[in-house]
Amino acid sequence: DIQMTQSPSFLSAFVGDRVIITCRASQGISPHLAWYQQKPGKVPNLLIYAASTLQSGVPSRFSGSGSGTEFTLTISSLQPEDFATYYCQQLNSYPYTFGQGTKLEIK
Amino acid sequence: EVQLLESGGGLVQPGGSLRLSCAASGFTFSSYVMNWVRQAPGKGLEWVSAISGNGGYTYYADSVKGRFTISRDNSKNTLYLQMNSLRAEDTAVFYCAKRPGTFYALDIWGRGTMVTVSS
Repeated sequence: DIQMTQSPSFLSAFVGDRVIITCRASQGISPHLAWYQQKPGKVPNLLIYAASTLQSGVPSRFSGSGSGTEFTLTISSLQPEDFATYYCQQLNSYPYTFGQGTKLEIK
Repeated sequence: EVQLLESGGGLVQPGGSLRLSCAASGFTFSSYVMNWVRQAPGKGLEWVSAISGNGGYTYYADSVKGRFTISRDNSKNTLYLQMNSLRAEDTAVFYCAKRPGTFYALDIWGRGTMVTVSS
């Protein structure tokens, strides 16, 4: 099975900051990497698929990059509504696996 | 509007069984791979199972293999998850989610149904 490791697990930042979350796969998965945002008590929301393609309706301050085994999610200028938990997921092969999540908190 | 609505959750004793359902609407259900994802209280997301559009191929996480069975009835636009030999560690919110045909991700999620395994 492919293991997904996100870093950091917790991140504290100010509104307006640029933040980067990293996701590493235990083997190559390009380009089948997706990012989700989940707010407390809410359903996960797809942000990015195919490592770098923005899902329709997602603000352009979100971007994804990477290939092979290393991927990043960047939020260019944090907004108050961005404070949430973020998950990466590989869909290259079954079983599909998620990273453990990165909780982004307001500093 | 594309919608997924889970049902069937509840309280069950360890060793018991439960069947979850996910009713789909607003899209051609039979054309899409469907998934179950769960989230234990206060924990992260865990992919559980997937099934191909015609039901011919099924996939499972190691943690549920041999205990859970995914199926679908395309005539009823409904996805199922039969859960047997339930354990305390299966306690979670269970979401059904659709994988689009043109890219690999889970683009539509239901609101989830809570399963609690406890004596």
